[in-house]
Amino acid sequence: EPEVTQTPSHQVTQMGQEVILRCVPISNHLYFYWYRQILGQKVEFLVSFYNNEISEKSEIFDDQFSVERPDGSNFTLKIRSTKLEDSAMYFCASSTDTGELFFGEGSRLTVL
Amino acid sequence: KNQVEQSPQSLIILEGKNCTLQCNYTVSPFSNLRWYKQDTGRGPVSLTIMTFSENTKSNGRYTATLDADTKQSSLHITASQLSDSASYICVVRGGNNRLAFGKGNQVVVIP
Repeated sequence: EPEVTQTPSHQVTQMGQEVILRCVPISNHLYFYWYRQILGQKVEFLVSFYNNEISEKSEIFDDQFSVERPDGSNFTLKIRSTKLEDSAMYFCASSTDTGELFFGEGSRLTVL
Repeated sequence: KNQVEQSPQSLIILEGKNCTLQCNYTVSPFSNLRWYKQDTGRGPVSLTIMTFSENTKSNGRYTATLDADTKQSSLHITASQLSDSASYICVVRGGNNRLAFGKGNQVVVIP
């Protein structure tokens, strides 16, 4: 069964460092998303991406964040200068249209 | 203000027993409502989708209901199993296609 894959599964970084989280969405999906979940809290929307551009972003998605689809398969989330409060589980998701989201297993980011 | 409220926040149930999780929402206009199951440390997985015209839908031991008039949904788990231990997240899609996530119902099934 097709699935969304994410790497790395866990990354530990120092505050101020740049981090890139990678996602391979399901191949025939056109809509891509990043969500984050701080430990013990609800899933929060970061950004949606369609047709090679951001279609929507939340207030969390500030200038420190960027997304890219560098080739036909990968979808990346970059955090330019990490802060302690960026520590969270980051989920990538994709969908064929505005229907069901298929989530990846997540990338746990720990900022020290 | 959170547009999706879930209750109870957490509950512990004995294996084999039933439980019901509640979701109240204020999202308007309403497009659909999904219940997701999220195992610890994993990504959410869709259990069921409810549209405006649907009152109840089952997926195995999971039965979801929707009352669009009162803006309430429930997820009933029948004959719980240890593998049902997870967070159950109610996600409502609005007319602008935006998703509103609840905080989840944390269910722990004990033998």
